Amino acid sequence: QSVLTQSPSVSAAPGQKVTISCSGSSSNIGNNYVSWYQQLPGTAPKLLIYENNKRPSGIPDRFSGSKSGTSATLAITGLQTGDEADYYCVTWDSSLSALFGGGTRLTVL
Amino acid sequence: QVQLQEWGAGLLKPSETLSLTCAVYAGSFSGYYWSWIRQPPGKGLEWIGEINHSGSTNYNPSLKSRVTMSVDTSENEFSLKLSSVTAADTAMYYCARGARGVNVNMVRGVLYEQNYFYMDVWGKGTTVTVSS
Repeated sequence: QSVLTQSPSVSAAPGQKVTISCSGSSSNIGNNYVSWYQQLPGTAPKLLIYENNKRPSGIPDRFSGSKSGTSATLAITGLQTGDEADYYCVTWDSSLSALFGGGTRLTVL
Repeated sequence: QVQLQEWGAGLLKPSETLSLTCAVYAGSFSGYYWSWIRQPPGKGLEWIGEINHSGSTNYNPSLKSRVTMSVDTSENEFSLKLSSVTAADTAMYYCARGARGVNVNMVRGVLYEQNYFYMDVWGKGTTVTVSS
């Protein structure tokens, strides 16, 4: 059971928008930045968003992040079949360790 | 372009010590935090811990009693040892380059600190199986 809570799965049609949420507490998300990772089947995770809403070079602006209070959200617009993957949130915790959310599997119908 | 590569023993017996090394190619070793992350088959990701170039470490509290990380700056490598392994330690193990620090912001006249942490370069991973 992860300290950071994510819905296990989400689905949407190609071209649509989907949001993935990550819920924590004041000891982690509430007072720290959140990053998001995409893990395509059989591959290593890839950084999508860091410091709540910044995109690394090469990440399309279809991916965006936000944070409010003790929750963070990843939004993906213009869904493509290639976006089918597992998505994880990560933040730092007051226990001086990093926390992963349980992961959300995105299915593009 | 920075690349990471993990290697180590892929098959262990219960009670043995897992030992993995991650080499950092084509990039600076100092100034970053180097993490180990694992993923049991069909499950989510779990952060194991981190080490920086000077050997300062932070470990996942749930694994802390069994984890030791070390760094070899002359070889641009860092290592993970996990003692007393069981079948529950069977997983894909990844190493990653991390950035961590503190941003200080002024909000309504009050200084507000927030920690940032993210992992921007990952190795391909190496599988470790624990079986008798």
